Amino acid sequence: DGGITQSPKYLFRKEGQNVTLSCEQNLNHDAMYWYRQDPGQGLRLIYYSQIVNDFQKGDIAEGYSVSREKKESFPLTVTSAQKNPTAFYLCASSLMGQTGTSAPYTQYFGPGTRLTVL
Amino acid sequence: DQQVKQNSPSLSVQEGRISILNCDYTNSMFDYFLWYKKYPAEGPTFLISISSIKDKNEDGRFTVFLNKSAKHLSLHIVPSQPGDSAVYFCAASGIYNFNKFYFGSGTKLNVKP
Repeated sequence: DGGITQSPKYLFRKEGQNVTLSCEQNLNHDAMYWYRQDPGQGLRLIYYSQIVNDFQKGDIAEGYSVSREKKESFPLTVTSAQKNPTAFYLCASSLMGQTGTSAPYTQYFGPGTRLTVL
Repeated sequence: DQQVKQNSPSLSVQEGRISILNCDYTNSMFDYFLWYKKYPAEGPTFLISISSIKDKNEDGRFTVFLNKSAKHLSLHIVPSQPGDSAVYFCAASGIYNFNKFYFGSGTKLNVKP
């Protein structure tokens, strides 16, 4: 089955520790995204990548890092510099929309990882 | 500052009636809008979209209306069913970066049997 997987579903971290969230897709999508959801707020973009070995900061990138060594994988590291890491993290992927020439492609989301800092 | 706003955090509707979910945006450069549906502990799933060249798009029980002058869009669900109970997010994308979406905070819809 094609889709996006995120692991683990629940993650607990002690303060001061880095933690890496996994995101894998087998949809052959070029673009991948990481969002954060907090209660009462919309999804906020952390990082996105449109091609292997390239990625751009979203609106709330501070305290996070990513890598895109393979098309299928886009892991997110929550570093100790992130002041409020407890949140629900969502990974998404899409084909690449051609800006100005066509509509953007729909983003498909994984099931999410709930990170709790103890 | 949120560029996409859903001012109603929750909505309760009787089964069979119409559900209307609203969304406002501030950036006039947005020209593509989407609605996503999210069940608890799952990722959002795409529901319906509309381009700024249209003012209405329909897909079965779901219709999205866009009022560009008011920077407002709405999602109508007719008739509402208990399985429609979920959180609904609207999202917007602009012509300068099609792949970057801005999401609203969501509206939790409860359809009562």
